[in-house]
Amino acid sequence: GQQLNQSPQSMFIQEGEDVSMNCTSSSIFNTWLWYKQDPGEGPVLLIALYKAGELTSNGRLTAQFGITRKDSFLNISASIPSDVGIYFCAGLQETSGSRLTFGEGTQLTVNP
Amino acid sequence: ETGVTQSPTHLIKTRGQQVTLRCSSQSGHNTVSWYQQALGQGPQFIFQYYREEENGRGNFPPRFSGLQFPNYSSELNVNALELDDSALYLCASSSLRQVQGDYGYTFGSGTRLTVV
Repeated sequence: GQQLNQSPQSMFIQEGEDVSMNCTSSSIFNTWLWYKQDPGEGPVLLIALYKAGELTSNGRLTAQFGITRKDSFLNISASIPSDVGIYFCAGLQETSGSRLTFGEGTQLTVNP
Repeated sequence: ETGVTQSPTHLIKTRGQQVTLRCSSQSGHNTVSWYQQALGQGPQFIFQYYREEENGRGNFPPRFSGLQFPNYSSELNVNALELDDSALYLCASSSLRQVQGDYGYTFGSGTRLTVV
């Protein structure tokens, strides 16, 4: 089935460092979403992107919708311990209604 | 405003048995989607229900079935359980009448199913 290639798979950083992760696909998506999932919980939406080239911020988080509509990245600045978790990209295609396609996730560990 | 609630939170079943998972959608949401999340993987779309009918299905066999009720709550049923069905099952509710810029797609905390 359709897949989103998300990298890196895992990251180990020190508190205060910046983090960048990205997601690519061979297909076009018309909406890109970034979620965070904590253990034992469902994914929680961080940022939604609706237009190619769009750059959106949510606090220390910034995400961009690639101009080719086949990729997106998420940056976290000045990381803190509570940023620990798994980050997922997800995409919506015009032909698939509200069916989300998810990436494999990036496990983030922040050392105090 | 209540969020998406799922029950039970954890479940252990034996191979070959049947299981029913339940989901109450967020207030104002009329669409429910189900996802399977295997350990270390991203969620995979199973199917979606709108107006009590299946409205899209992922690559899952027919032994995965569902229902949506008039109050928009939903059930996921899995027959003839296999070991590989062990996963976190997530329910997400949304409204098909979403306003651009207001992405109302909310996940529940999931049901952890273990098949032994």
